[in-house]
Amino acid sequence: EAQVTQNPRYLITVTGKKLTVTCSQNMNHEYMSWYRQDPGLGLRQIYYSMNVEVTDKGDVPEGYKVSRKEKRNFPLILESPSPNQTSLYFCASSRSGQAYEQYFGPGTRLTVT
Amino acid sequence: GNSVTQMEGPVTLSEEAFLTINCTYTATGYPSLFWYVQYPGEGLQLLLKATKADDKGSNKGFEATYRKETTSFHLEKGSVQVSDSAVYFCALSSNQAGTALIFGKGTTLSVSS
Repeated sequence: EAQVTQNPRYLITVTGKKLTVTCSQNMNHEYMSWYRQDPGLGLRQIYYSMNVEVTDKGDVPEGYKVSRKEKRNFPLILESPSPNQTSLYFCASSRSGQAYEQYFGPGTRLTVT
Repeated sequence: GNSVTQMEGPVTLSEEAFLTINCTYTATGYPSLFWYVQYPGEGLQLLLKATKADDKGSNKGFEATYRKETTSFHLEKGSVQVSDSAVYFCALSSNQAGTALIFGKGTTLSVSS
Protein backbone atom coordinates (compact mmCIF):
# COMPACT_ATOMS: atom_id res chain seq x y z
CA GLU A 1 0.00 0.00 0.00
CA ALA A 2 1.32 3.42 -1.00
CA GLN A 3 1.74 5.48 2.10
CA VAL A 4 3.63 8.03 4.14
CA THR A 5 4.33 6.98 7.70
CA GLN A 6 5.28 9.16 10.61
CA ASN A 7 6.48 8.26 14.09
CA PRO A 8 5.63 8.91 16.77
CA ARG A 9 1.98 9.88 16.32
CA TYR A 10 1.85 11.59 19.69
CA LEU A 11 4.68 13.04 21.73
CA ILE A 12 4.82 15.05 24.92
CA THR A 13 8.23 16.40 25.82
CA VAL A 14 9.91 19.13 27.84
CA THR A 15 11.63 22.29 26.72
CA GLY A 16 15.14 21.73 25.44
CA LYS A 17 15.05 17.96 25.06
CA LYS A 18 16.11 17.06 21.53
CA LEU A 19 13.67 15.00 19.52
CA THR A 20 13.28 13.53 16.06
CA VAL A 21 10.08 12.82 14.18
CA THR A 22 10.60 10.26 11.46
CA CYS A 23 8.93 10.25 8.06
CA SER A 24 9.11 7.53 5.46
CA GLN A 25 7.43 7.02 2.09
CA ASN A 26 7.27 3.91 -0.08
CA MET A 27 6.33 5.52 -3.39
CA ASN A 28 9.84 6.39 -4.60
CA HIS A 29 8.89 10.07 -4.53
CA GLU A 30 11.60 12.64 -5.07
CA TYR A 31 9.91 15.50 -3.26
CA MET A 32 9.25 15.49 0.48
CA SER A 33 8.10 18.21 2.81
CA TRP A 34 7.24 19.01 6.42
CA TYR A 35 4.31 21.20 7.50
CA ARG A 36 2.92 22.35 10.79
CA GLN A 37 -0.77 22.94 11.32
CA ASP A 38 -1.98 25.44 13.88
CA PRO A 39 -5.52 26.64 14.60
CA GLY A 40 -6.40 29.70 12.54
CA LEU A 41 -3.16 29.52 10.59
CA GLY A 42 -3.72 26.54 8.32
CA LEU A 43 -0.67 24.63 7.14
CA ARG A 44 2.72 26.22 6.89
CA GLN A 45 5.73 24.63 5.29
CA ILE A 46 8.79 24.11 7.48
CA TYR A 47 11.31 22.48 5.14
CA TYR A 48 11.24 20.63 1.87
CA SER A 49 13.54 18.41 -0.14
CA MET A 50 13.65 18.12 -3.90
CA ASN A 51 15.83 15.00 -3.79
CA VAL A 52 18.48 13.18 -1.78
CA GLU A 53 20.91 15.58 -0.12
CA VAL A 54 18.89 18.58 -1.37
CA THR A 55 16.90 20.44 1.28
CA ASP A 56 15.62 23.98 1.59
CA LYS A 57 13.73 26.19 3.99
CA GLY A 58 10.04 26.73 3.80
CA ASP A 59 8.08 29.52 5.42
CA VAL A 60 8.75 28.71 9.09
CA PRO A 61 12.13 26.90 9.39
CA GLU A 62 13.36 28.47 12.64
CA GLY A 63 14.03 25.90 15.35
CA TYR A 64 13.94 22.90 12.99
CA LYS A 65 16.44 20.82 11.08
CA VAL A 66 16.01 18.15 8.44
CA SER A 67 18.15 15.70 6.52
CA ARG A 68 17.62 13.64 3.37
CA LYS A 69 20.24 10.91 3.26
CA GLU A 70 17.95 8.40 1.63
CA LYS A 71 15.15 8.95 -0.84
CA ARG A 72 12.47 7.37 1.32
CA ASN A 73 13.24 9.09 4.64
CA PHE A 74 12.98 12.72 5.71
CA PRO A 75 13.30 13.14 9.49
CA LEU A 76 12.40 16.37 11.26
CA ILE A 77 14.72 17.30 14.10
CA LEU A 78 14.02 19.71 16.93
CA GLU A 79 17.37 20.33 18.61
CA SER A 80 15.95 22.35 21.51
CA PRO A 81 12.15 22.30 21.45
CA SER A 82 10.21 25.21 22.88
CA PRO A 83 6.51 25.53 23.79
CA ASN A 84 5.79 27.54 20.62
CA GLN A 85 6.62 24.40 18.64
CA THR A 86 3.61 22.65 20.12
CA SER A 87 1.68 21.80 17.00
CA LEU A 88 0.40 19.12 14.64
CA TYR A 89 3.08 18.13 12.15
CA PHE A 90 2.57 16.55 8.76
CA CYS A 91 5.06 14.99 6.40
CA ALA A 92 4.18 14.85 2.71
CA SER A 93 5.70 13.49 -0.47
CA SER A 94 5.04 13.85 -4.17
CA ARG A 95 6.41 12.65 -7.45
CA SER A 96 8.65 15.59 -8.31
CA GLY A 97 7.23 18.85 -7.09
CA GLN A 98 4.32 20.71 -5.66
CA ALA A 99 2.23 20.77 -8.81
CA TYR A 100 1.78 17.05 -8.31
CA GLU A 101 -0.51 15.43 -5.79
CA GLN A 102 1.02 15.47 -2.36
CA TYR A 103 0.54 12.42 -0.16
CA PHE A 104 0.33 13.24 3.52
CA GLY A 105 1.24 11.21 6.54
CA PRO A 106 -1.23 10.80 9.41
CA GLY A 107 0.33 13.55 11.50
CA THR A 108 2.33 13.84 14.71
CA ARG A 109 0.85 15.77 17.58
CA LEU A 110 3.69 17.33 19.56
CA THR A 111 3.31 19.02 22.93
CA VAL A 112 6.28 20.84 24.45
CA THR A 113 5.89 21.80 28.10
CA GLY B 1 3.70 37.26 -2.58
CA ASN B 2 1.35 34.40 -3.33
CA SER B 3 -1.61 33.91 -1.05
CA VAL B 4 -4.86 32.00 -0.72
CA THR B 5 -8.00 33.28 0.99
CA GLN B 6 -10.89 30.96 1.72
CA MET B 7 -14.14 31.57 3.49
CA GLU B 8 -14.08 31.08 7.20
CA GLY B 9 -16.19 28.43 8.77
CA PRO B 10 -17.62 26.57 10.23
CA VAL B 11 -20.12 25.78 7.53
CA THR B 12 -23.08 23.83 8.85
CA LEU B 13 -25.47 22.16 6.40
CA SER B 14 -28.20 19.58 6.36
CA GLU B 15 -27.77 16.44 4.31
CA GLU B 16 -28.50 16.94 0.59
CA ALA B 17 -27.93 20.70 0.76
CA PHE B 18 -25.84 22.53 -1.81
CA LEU B 19 -22.30 23.41 -0.79
CA THR B 20 -20.08 26.28 -1.85
CA ILE B 21 -16.77 27.08 -0.22
CA ASN B 22 -15.18 30.19 -1.66
CA CYS B 23 -11.49 30.40 -2.47
CA THR B 24 -9.62 33.29 -4.07
CA TYR B 25 -5.94 33.59 -4.73
CA THR B 26 -3.18 36.05 -5.46
CA ALA B 27 -0.31 34.86 -7.59
CA THR B 28 1.92 35.88 -10.43
CA GLY B 29 2.05 33.75 -13.52
CA TYR B 30 -0.01 30.60 -13.91
CA PRO B 31 -0.33 28.68 -10.67
CA SER B 32 -1.87 25.26 -10.16
CA LEU B 33 -4.80 25.13 -7.76
CA PHE B 34 -5.89 22.37 -5.41
CA TRP B 35 -8.52 21.41 -2.90
CA TYR B 36 -7.40 19.10 -0.11
CA VAL B 37 -9.68 17.48 2.47
CA GLN B 38 -8.81 16.47 6.02
CA TYR B 39 -11.10 14.01 7.76
CA PRO B 40 -11.01 13.93 11.57
CA GLY B 41 -7.77 12.48 12.91
CA GLU B 42 -6.22 12.03 9.48
CA GLY B 43 -3.76 13.71 7.18
CA LEU B 44 -4.77 15.72 4.13
CA GLN B 45 -5.87 14.05 0.92
CA LEU B 46 -6.03 15.61 -2.50
CA LEU B 47 -9.68 16.12 -3.47
CA LEU B 48 -9.24 17.75 -6.86
CA LYS B 49 -6.95 20.02 -8.83
CA ALA B 50 -6.75 22.28 -11.87
CA THR B 51 -3.57 23.31 -13.59
CA LYS B 52 -4.68 25.97 -16.05
CA ALA B 53 -7.37 28.58 -16.54
CA ASP B 54 -10.91 27.28 -17.21
CA ASP B 55 -9.96 23.76 -16.12
CA LYS B 56 -12.56 22.06 -13.99
CA GLY B 57 -11.39 19.63 -11.35
CA SER B 58 -13.89 17.08 -10.08
CA ASN B 59 -13.96 14.13 -7.69
CA LYS B 60 -16.53 12.42 -5.44
CA GLY B 61 -19.24 14.84 -6.58
CA PHE B 62 -17.16 17.91 -5.78
CA GLU B 63 -16.21 20.39 -8.49
CA ALA B 64 -14.11 23.53 -8.79
CA THR B 65 -13.33 25.66 -11.83
CA TYR B 66 -10.11 27.62 -12.23
CA ARG B 67 -11.26 31.19 -13.01
CA LYS B 68 -8.33 33.39 -13.87
CA GLU B 69 -10.46 36.48 -14.50
CA THR B 70 -11.80 36.41 -10.95
CA THR B 71 -8.75 34.63 -9.44
CA SER B 72 -11.08 32.09 -7.85
CA PHE B 73 -11.37 28.35 -7.36
CA HIS B 74 -14.62 27.83 -5.47
CA LEU B 75 -15.51 24.34 -4.30
CA GLU B 76 -19.07 23.11 -4.94
CA LYS B 77 -21.12 20.01 -4.37
CA GLY B 78 -24.73 19.62 -5.30
CA SER B 79 -25.83 17.36 -2.45
CA VAL B 80 -23.66 16.91 0.63
CA GLN B 81 -23.63 13.84 2.84
CA VAL B 82 -22.80 13.39 6.50
CA SER B 83 -19.60 11.67 5.40
CA ASP B 84 -18.44 14.92 3.76
CA SER B 85 -17.93 16.48 7.18
CA ALA B 86 -14.27 17.47 7.23
CA VAL B 87 -11.90 20.41 6.91
CA TYR B 88 -11.33 21.64 3.36
CA PHE B 89 -8.17 23.46 2.29
CA CYS B 90 -7.66 25.46 -0.87
CA ALA B 91 -4.02 25.50 -1.99
CA LEU B 92 -1.85 27.06 -4.67
CA SER B 93 1.42 26.06 -6.30
CA SER B 94 3.34 28.57 -8.32
CA ASN B 95 5.02 25.69 -10.17
CA GLN B 96 8.39 27.26 -9.60
CA ALA B 97 11.10 25.17 -8.04
CA GLY B 98 11.90 26.23 -4.53
CA THR B 99 8.53 27.74 -3.68
CA ALA B 100 6.13 26.40 -1.11
CA LEU B 101 2.65 25.07 -1.63
CA ILE B 102 0.47 27.81 -0.13
CA PHE B 103 -2.58 26.70 1.85
CA GLY B 104 -5.62 28.63 2.91
CA LYS B 105 -6.58 28.46 6.57
CA GLY B 106 -9.16 25.75 6.04
CA THR B 107 -12.95 25.64 6.21
CA THR B 108 -14.69 23.22 8.54
CA LEU B 109 -17.80 21.63 7.08
CA SER B 110 -20.31 19.92 9.34
CA VAL B 111 -23.21 18.04 7.74
CA SER B 112 -26.11 16.80 9.84
CA SER B 113 -28.72 14.21 8.94
